[in-house]
Amino acid sequence: EPEVTQTPSHQVTQMGQEVILRCVPISNHLYFYWYRQILGQKVEFLVSFYNNEISEKSEIFDDQFSVERPDGSNFTLKIRSTKLEDSAMYFCASSGSRLDTQYFGPGTRLTVL
Amino acid sequence: QQQVKQSPQSLIVQKGGIPIINCAYENTAFDYFPWYQQFPGKGPALLIAIRPDVSEKKEGRFTISFNKSAKQFSLHIMDSQPGDSATYFCAASMAQGGSEKLVFGKGTKLTVNP
Repeated sequence: EPEVTQTPSHQVTQMGQEVILRCVPISNHLYFYWYRQILGQKVEFLVSFYNNEISEKSEIFDDQFSVERPDGSNFTLKIRSTKLEDSAMYFCASSGSRLDTQYFGPGTRLTVL
Repeated sequence: QQQVKQSPQSLIVQKGGIPIINCAYENTAFDYFPWYQQFPGKGPALLIAIRPDVSEKKEGRFTISFNKSAKQFSLHIMDSQPGDSATYFCAASMAQGGSEKLVFGKGTKLTVNP
């Protein structure tokens, strides 16, 4: 069964450093998403991406964040200057259309020291 | 209001019991209500979903009951098993209304004792 994959599974970084989280969505999907889950809290929407542009973003997704689909298969989330409060599990998701199920990857645990 | 309120926060049942998890929403523009199951260290996985044109949907041992007038929906797990022990999230979106972002509840940690 096709699945969303994410790398790395765990990323540790120093405050102020840039990180790139990578995702490979399901191959025929067209809609891509990033969510995050701070430990013990609910899953929160960050951004949705379709046709090589952001279609919606939350207030969390400020200028420190950016997304890119660099090569037609990967979908990346970049945090330019990490803060302690960016420590969370980051989930990538994809769907075949706007009305279809969103399939989540296993997540990347980001720890900012 | 974009929130989805979920209760209880945690739930313990015996094997064979019927845990019920409840969610409520304010925004009547929500038109899609999925439930996700999450095991430790894994991403959320879709369990079952409903749209507001039906009041109930059943898939295997999982049933969603939907009350449009009360703006509430709930998940029932029949004949629960220890393998059902996980965190369950309700969610809502306005996909047909132009926003497919999922708004999640805070989650319910279910423990099914053998």
